[in-house]
Amino acid sequence: QQPVQSPQAVILREGEDAVINCSSSKALYSVHWYRQKHGEAPVFLMILLKGGEQKGHEKISASFNEKKQQSSLYLTASQLSYSGTYFCGTVNNQGGKLIFGQGTELSVKP
Amino acid sequence: DAGVIQSPRHEVTEMGQEVTLRCKPISGHNSLFWYRQTMMRGLELLIYFNNNVPIDDSGMPEDRFSAKMPNASFSTLKIQPSEPRDSAVYFCASGWIGGYTFGSGTRLTVV
Repeated sequence: QQPVQSPQAVILREGEDAVINCSSSKALYSVHWYRQKHGEAPVFLMILLKGGEQKGHEKISASFNEKKQQSSLYLTASQLSYSGTYFCGTVNNQGGKLIFGQGTELSVKP
Repeated sequence: DAGVIQSPRHEVTEMGQEVTLRCKPISGHNSLFWYRQTMMRGLELLIYFNNNVPIDDSGMPEDRFSAKMPNASFSTLKIQPSEPRDSAVYFCASGWIGGYTFGSGTRLTVV
């Protein structure tokens, strides 16, 4: 039931782009994306509620393919501040529980 | 808004002792979640409430764990008796359909 994220880790140079994928074996009602920095709590980035929906947050955007039960997070022109662990969370039905993937560790180097 | 408030921030206790973690959600949020985070197991959902009612507690590891939400502004997670394998960071998160906000967490160490 836990969504699967890929890759597990990625190292970037400042200005490079990255894609983080999240897939589920079950039908999805919504997908959430969070970023967690070391020693801190996860911080909400965005939620996607409809199939095919895309959302953006500065240079971070995401898509949701309801049919494929997948979501992708796109980070463009990465900045040092983007470093952290990114989690996708999935909800299978309205009012249902939010289950997180295992996380993707992103490191942005100067 | 003060955000989701958890207390204590750190707790060190001896094996066998009772531990109570507290959470004050953001006013107006109708869902509350308790998560546990460890390096090995990641972010595990323990239990969640909708409108103060426990909906799913299937993630609670054992009968030693219990959670309550007596009203919309307060929830507790209790471990009795505590064991060293309970050592982890425990997060409370509150929210609604638009997203969830995490508290700063309680780092629990059981020795």
